[in-house]
Amino acid sequence: NAGVTQTPKFRVLKTGQSMTLLCAQDMNHEYMYWYRQDPGMGLRLIHYSVGEGTTAKGEVPDGYNVSRLKKQNFLLGLESAAPSQTSVYFCASSYSIGRASQETQYFGPGTRLLVL
Amino acid sequence: GQNIDQPTEMTATEGAIVQINCTYQTSGFNGLFWYQQHAGEAPTFLSYNVLDGLEEKGRFSSFLSRSKGYSYLLLKELQMKDSASYLCAVRVLMNTGFQKLVFGTGTRLLVSP
Repeated sequence: NAGVTQTPKFRVLKTGQSMTLLCAQDMNHEYMYWYRQDPGMGLRLIHYSVGEGTTAKGEVPDGYNVSRLKKQNFLLGLESAAPSQTSVYFCASSYSIGRASQETQYFGPGTRLLVL
Repeated sequence: GQNIDQPTEMTATEGAIVQINCTYQTSGFNGLFWYQQHAGEAPTFLSYNVLDGLEEKGRFSSFLSRSKGYSYLLLKELQMKDSASYLCAVRVLMNTGFQKLVFGTGTRLLVSP
């Protein structure tokens, strides 16, 4: 199993450009998450999904959109990139809260985004 | 609001024991996680506590006191590869039924020979 994978690993954008970050998981997890990690700050939740076809806003959703058309994929879109969106983006997945096993979140390797 | 505090940086010597503390003030507490994150890599799960007490897993142990809003991660027999950031994360139950993780800023541990 590959676990959680993310593409691309690194990207440079100019202000105003758009891009999509792809997250894929092969663990049949119901829940998926997008976080950003910035120096001196903890991981912050951008958007999350509790199942195929559903999405919801996290703590810092402005400037981002997401889609979960397939259970294994969770896409994060930046419609018009801004320098404030320079960050490392992590995707994670977990089982749903209804399961008996602990709902540990498993993280992907991250995407480093630089917006000039 | 949610607030999680942990030291920014700690240093220790190979073979020693180090304790990384985490204090939190949150509503809807439903468990505490510790993750390890090496520089440039993804966070990886280390431990989970939901009840008071100590959970031991090899060289790593984690303790929780819910009444004090306090947890610590104990690393024994330190190895150079333990140099990493250690993230404390509290799981909180939202009124929507969703449980989210609130992360501290992390403690960077440097292990020297």
